[in-house]
Amino acid sequence: DIQLTQSPSSLSAFVGDRVTITCRASQTISRYLNWYRQKSGTAPELLIYAASSSQSGVPLRFSGSGSGTEFTLTISSLQPEDFATYYCQQSYSTGLTFGGGTKVEIK
Amino acid sequence: QVQLVQTGAEVKRPGASVRVSCKVSEHILSELSINWVRQAPGKGLEWMGGFGPEEGKKVLAQKFQGRVIMTEDPSSDTAHMDLSGLRSEDTAVYFCASYRSKYGKGIKVFFFDTWGQGTLVTVSS
Repeated sequence: DIQLTQSPSSLSAFVGDRVTITCRASQTISRYLNWYRQKSGTAPELLIYAASSSQSGVPLRFSGSGSGTEFTLTISSLQPEDFATYYCQQSYSTGLTFGGGTKVEIK
Repeated sequence: QVQLVQTGAEVKRPGASVRVSCKVSEHILSELSINWVRQAPGKGLEWMGGFGPEEGKKVLAQKFQGRVIMTEDPSSDTAHMDLSGLRSEDTAVYFCASYRSKYGKGIKVFFFDTWGQGTLVTVSS
């Protein structure tokens, strides 16, 4: 299976801060990388697909970049509803995998 | 807007089996590719398996082969996930999710775009 390693595993930030989360794949996955946000006690929601395409309705402050083995999710100005856990997920191989998650907490 | 509504929480003894169901509304089950993802308490997301969005082939994660059966009932637009041989490590929230394809940046990619609300399965003696 393709392993996805997210960093950091957690971070603290203020409302309004710019935040960047990294996801590294154990082998090249082209742009088959998606990002999700999971608020406490709820199901994940899709933010970004194909590494950098925004899902309909997702705020413009979320952006994704990367290809191959290294990807980033950037939140340009953190909002109160963004304090949550973020996961990357690859769909390059039949065996789908998620990263371990990055928890974004209020500073 | 597709909605996925799951059955309620379950408490099971070790060794027992559990069925989690996922009813599709505002859409037709046969037009969706339902997959299952679980999340142990305080842990990350773990894909279990499901149907591919193109050929409709069912795929299971290796660790669940032999213990998980995924079925669909078109007459009720409901997908089912049966997990047998329960152990304490299976205590988790189980989600159904719609897995679909779309063109993005020149390639056809796949992602989970709609999720059920989750079903907590507790395995305890």
